[in-house]
Amino acid sequence: QKEVEQDPGPLSVPEGAIVSLNCTYSNSAFQYFMWYRQYSRKGPELLMYTYSSGNKEDGRFTAQVDKSSKYISLFIRDSQPSDSATYLCAMSGNYGNNRLAFGKGNQVVVIP
Amino acid sequence: GAVVSQHPSWVICKSGTSVKIECRSLDFQATTMFWYRQFPKQSLMLMATSNEGSKATYEQGVEKDKFLINHASLTLSTLTVTSAHPEDSSFYICSAHNRGRNYGYTFGSGTRLTVV
Repeated sequence: QKEVEQDPGPLSVPEGAIVSLNCTYSNSAFQYFMWYRQYSRKGPELLMYTYSSGNKEDGRFTAQVDKSSKYISLFIRDSQPSDSATYLCAMSGNYGNNRLAFGKGNQVVVIP
Repeated sequence: GAVVSQHPSWVICKSGTSVKIECRSLDFQATTMFWYRQFPKQSLMLMATSNEGSKATYEQGVEKDKFLINHASLTLSTLTVTSAHPEDSSFYICSAHNRGRNYGYTFGSGTRLTVV
């Protein structure tokens, strides 16, 4: 079983729809959870960061972490064509120097 | 703040030659940097963890003599792909850890390496 599972299937949504992405993980030591957005041929950029369980909201983005289920989610409200990108979940057990475990990434296409 | 500059953004080289990729933290000191490799439509694969002033720690299956990593200062790490072959063609991305920020990891913009 991989440490982080993320269904890589491409996701197409109409503009204005809610995009829902999720990852599951197996390592109960993970405490730091991140979502990155990656445009084609660019490095990932941090979207959301959450420590332990809970919800976090930043503008149109909401991240949720449920440690009891080992399940994290990212929601994008009022999706825009500029949100079209690959979204990667990532997590680590210890802040900073420990390596990040990444999901495979979800390619999202927002259709105008 | 928390900018990581990676250079070059793309490079084409001949088989057998070596290529050096630089990763700089511009506005913070990075005691730890990470080097990743990414194939098309795949996730990031960690190659090695680079600590300033010490030898890099390589992930299983990554040849340390082929992918030379040097982290000589708190703001610069380099990855040298030695004797490059076409199968080394990939997208290489560095990441730096910034202790001054509450999420820590900042990525460079990546380097597209094509070996012909």
